[in-house]
Amino acid sequence: AQKITQTQPGMFVQEKEAVTLDCTYDTSDQSYGLFWYKQPSSGEMIFLIYQGSYDEQNATEGRYSLNFQKARKSANLVISASQLGDSAMYFCAMRGGIQGAQKLVFGQGTRLTINP
Amino acid sequence: GAVVSQHPSRVICKSGTSVKIECRSLDFQATTMFWYRQFPKQSLMLMATSNEGSKATYEQGVEKDKFLINHASLTLSTLTVTSAHPEDSSFYICSASDGYGYTFGSGTRLTVV
Repeated sequence: AQKITQTQPGMFVQEKEAVTLDCTYDTSDQSYGLFWYKQPSSGEMIFLIYQGSYDEQNATEGRYSLNFQKARKSANLVISASQLGDSAMYFCAMRGGIQGAQKLVFGQGTRLTINP
Repeated sequence: GAVVSQHPSRVICKSGTSVKIECRSLDFQATTMFWYRQFPKQSLMLMATSNEGSKATYEQGVEKDKFLINHASLTLSTLTVTSAHPEDSSFYICSASDGYGYTFGSGTRLTVV
């Protein structure tokens, strides 16, 4: 069985600072995919970044980067130069296998608040 | 980019009635649709997975007779909450996949009074 753990229920960061949201995972699969989503108060799920288990480079998408440490089974999200609009819930999720429409398993989420 | 349209965004219904929620993939073929439920301040809980033309696979503890899922075409899946009760009040969100990525609908906030 797959499991995602996000140990930070809430994070408070000053605007323009960088923030790291923690995510650890557990799986017996050799190949898997890791996702990060942002959920603002409106409820929509916004895809941020993806990391495949065989990707050697850490994924980056604009201000978002994923610090992938396979041996530690961690996939932390780093947001650089935080903005007020980054305030939202953030979910880490895992898919067994690197492709195919398999279900996503979500972590508990971290509520990020950016202070002006 | 891929878009999934979910309707309605909000619905209030009386206890004992049924509510249908629709999810449409607008610009891609959704071979698989996932339906999630989310309670306030909690994570997404997978309810069921449906493949086009097949019966849905429900997660343990989810009543298939209460939460009817239909995935009759590659662009449309529906979730019907039958005989709704106040405890069914929640945020329901769908996710469509073409086998590569996942695109989420905007969610439906159901309130049963």
